[in-house]
Order: sequence, then C-alpha cells, then structure tokens
Amino acid sequence: LAKTTQPISMDSYEGQEVNITCSHNNIATNDYITWYQQFPSQGPRFIIQGYKTKVTNEVASLFIPADRKSSTLSLPRVSLSDTAVYYCLATGYSTLTFGKGTMLLVSP
Amino acid sequence: DAGVIQSPRHEVTEMGQEVTLRCKPISGHNSLFWYRQTMMRGLELLIYFNNNVPIDDSGMPEDRFSAKMPNASFSTLKIQPSEPRDSAVYFCASSDPGQTSYNEQFFGPGTRLTVL
Repeated sequence: LAKTTQPISMDSYEGQEVNITCSHNNIATNDYITWYQQFPSQGPRFIIQGYKTKVTNEVASLFIPADRKSSTLSLPRVSLSDTAVYYCLATGYSTLTFGKGTMLLVSP
Repeated sequence: DAGVIQSPRHEVTEMGQEVTLRCKPISGHNSLFWYRQTMMRGLELLIYFNNNVPIDDSGMPEDRFSAKMPNASFSTLKIQPSEPRDSAVYFCASSDPGQTSYNEQFFGPGTRLTVL
C-alpha cells in the first residue's frame, strides 16, 4: 500500500485559497489519488479523485504532477465551514488506508 | 437516498456487556465496511464484506469482535464482552463498483461507543 504524508495541521482565514500537499513516493501504477473530508462528529466524505494532471469539481481542485509522487488539494476561497480534517489516500484495488490527515482550521 | 444508516448513534455500556452496532448500507451498494476511529489510532478498517460475504477481517482486534451481514441491506458489529478500550466511534461505509469515482466509499454518521 502506498504510504501518504501530509501536514498535521494548517491554518487559514476566510476567503483565502488553501493548498494542502500530499506526498506518495511509492504510489502504484493502478492507484488513484483520493481526498476525503471529515467534519467533527461525522464520517469522512469523498471530495475529489484523480489519476494525473488536474481535476476540478464544485468543491476543490486536485493537481497531480507527471511523476505522481505528490498531489495538491486546492480549496478556493475557504469559509469557516471548511474547517475539517482532510485525508489524502492512494487508492487501488485494495481497501482504503486512512492516515492522520491534515486538520485545517479556518478563522474569521 | 437516505445514505448509510447506523444505529444507535450513541451507546454507553458497562464493561463486560454485549454491544451490537447496526448498519444499513445504501441500496444497491454491494460492499460494506466497518471502521473504528480513536484519537490515538485514527481511522482503522475492521472488516469488509462484498456481496454479503466477509472478505477481509484482519483488522478485527480480537475474538471479542464479530460481524455479520445476513442480507444486502443489513449488517451488525458485535462486541462481547466489551472493555473500556473499545470506546471509540464506529463507522459503517458502503460502496458501489458501478460508481464513477474509483473505490469511493460513503460513510454513515457513526456510533459513539463508551464502555465504562
């Protein structure tokens, strides 16, 4: 299983863009990079997934360089409600393995 | 769809008692997962089922834990006897191989278990 490394915590202010970088040096050819978001007292929620280059949806963008050894989750113009833990996973045919995630705190 | 449903949402019990957690996956999903989350260990996979059959239970901590999936719409996780170290939030998740995102799992709201 590809191990992922991401910052333990990040701080931001409302309206700013937040970029969370994740490294996955040993990612396998058939792994996708997937990000989940978890609010307090809730289960994790899938937010975005990609294999290479850039993916964008209504919530976030995901940037993956050609070597796929890292990825960056970009949250545009964060609000207080984006305060959560964000998990980066390299997902393949096996089950999901969640690390500690990045605790993002958005302040007014 | 109502999403993944778990019951109870909160459970407080005494050491030695039997605890049963329940999960109803999203209709049409054929994979079901049980996770446990604590501050110390994070989110850990306990067991998962595919088409109601247990595929991997290597995450089940010990024989006191058992899980069943008698049909496609219901699963239970049982702890007997319970111990204080079992206190955690237990999540159930389900997934559908036909969905557009690879290996996307939908999580329930969790059951917060406290064993005194």
